[in-house]
Amino acid sequence: AQSVAQPEDQVNVAEGNPLTVKCTYSVSGNPYLFWYVQYPNRGLQFLLKYITGDNLVKGSYGFEAEFNKSQTSFHLKKPSALVSDSALYFCAVRDSPGGSYIPTFGRGTSLIVHP
Amino acid sequence: DGGITQSPKYLFRKEGQNVTLSCEQNLNHDAMYWYRQDPGQGLRLIYYSQIVNDFQKGDIAEGYSVSREKKESFPLTVTSAQKNPTAFYLCASSIVGGGQASYEQYFGPGTRLTVT
Repeated sequence: AQSVAQPEDQVNVAEGNPLTVKCTYSVSGNPYLFWYVQYPNRGLQFLLKYITGDNLVKGSYGFEAEFNKSQTSFHLKKPSALVSDSALYFCAVRDSPGGSYIPTFGRGTSLIVHP
Repeated sequence: DGGITQSPKYLFRKEGQNVTLSCEQNLNHDAMYWYRQDPGQGLRLIYYSQIVNDFQKGDIAEGYSVSREKKESFPLTVTSAQKNPTAFYLCASSIVGGGQASYEQYFGPGTRLTVT
């Protein structure tokens, strides 16, 4: 079975400060991990993914995420937040090998960047 | 929004009426999905399809139906049996190949359905 948790419903950060949006997961095998962003009344946009290899994954719009197998985490980070980063962020996981291609999504974290 | 179109963007219906939401993709993806999004509940899977003429129920399929007659199209019908149909509906697609599940999903812009 696969599951994912986003422990924070909302994250507040000042513009220019670093931001972190947390995600933890549970899988039977090895995880495929994804981050998506959703702006109001829009569909989700893919940001980045971890499949294998380097634990630090770089993605779109200056975002990166660090895979930590021992802590079963995949936190999303950005060194300097922008007001335009304010959105809803979703973490998703798929189990491998042989797992379902259907991902499990977290409940989402609302990021608010204050000017 | 990644080559997936959903129409209409806003849809209003009276209770007791069936309504069909359109989803079309030009990405040549094998798999397509329908999700329902409600505030604070994340995404919940309604139906998914890996190949033409085949689809599977997701976590909340009751009151919904789908068809997959063409690779690029995956319409969702919200029937009168769905008890609380007002929601934001998202369609997505992805590559599914070689038994790997490493491919990300591409989402449409969504349809906001309001039933009164």
